[in-house]
Amino acid sequence: GAVVSQHPSWVICKSGTSVKIECRSLDFQATTMFWYRQFPKQSLMLMATSNEGSKATYEQGVEKDKFLINHASLTLSTLTVTSAHPEDSSFYICSARAPGTGAYEQYFGPGTRLTVT
Amino acid sequence: QQQVKQSPQSLIVQKGGISIINCAYENTAFDYFPWYQQFPGKGPALLIAIRPDVSEKKEGRFTISFNKSAKQFSLHIMDSQPGDSATYFCAARVRRGSARQLTFGSGTQLTVLP
Repeated sequence: GAVVSQHPSWVICKSGTSVKIECRSLDFQATTMFWYRQFPKQSLMLMATSNEGSKATYEQGVEKDKFLINHASLTLSTLTVTSAHPEDSSFYICSARAPGTGAYEQYFGPGTRLTVT
Repeated sequence: QQQVKQSPQSLIVQKGGISIINCAYENTAFDYFPWYQQFPGKGPALLIAIRPDVSEKKEGRFTISFNKSAKQFSLHIMDSQPGDSATYFCAARVRRGSARQLTFGSGTQLTVLP
């Protein structure tokens, strides 16, 4: 149980275009989802926290107009990178919190590798 | 500000040896300390976790030691195997509003030699 999927697993886009990444909780309802960014050989940096049906809370330094997050249902959150530039190239990972579990653990998706050319 | 400091950055261990990774934190509001294992190109997977009211937790070959007064915790991997070669992240959780957020350490790249 507690499986989180991401789509696509990797994407290449041209500079100036937008790209959408989906995060789905497959076998549980996630009231809270998190989006992280990870550069090569670096740690995960939290970008934003999204709660179903409400606006995402962005971490300091993350441009909310550039990284649009929508958590429209209890099983789906999307991250749209708008007007992508090469510096946005990174590994984007989502996680979902499964309510009702004693430890409120976060379950991570497999990640999406974004390359902006 | 890095709230969770992890060391070493990289670690090489012989098969059958013990791998030890250390983390230290400053924020006493952290209430949950998980360790994650990440293979290249994959998302992190929860390995083992501990609460601050427990000094040690063991699951198979993996043990967390927790020192609340020193604000330190460590991961011990007994009988390390080549398949354990991965990047390990410690993390600490804090409640912010209605959400419980994780802060990650910088990661340790473990290589277990056959």
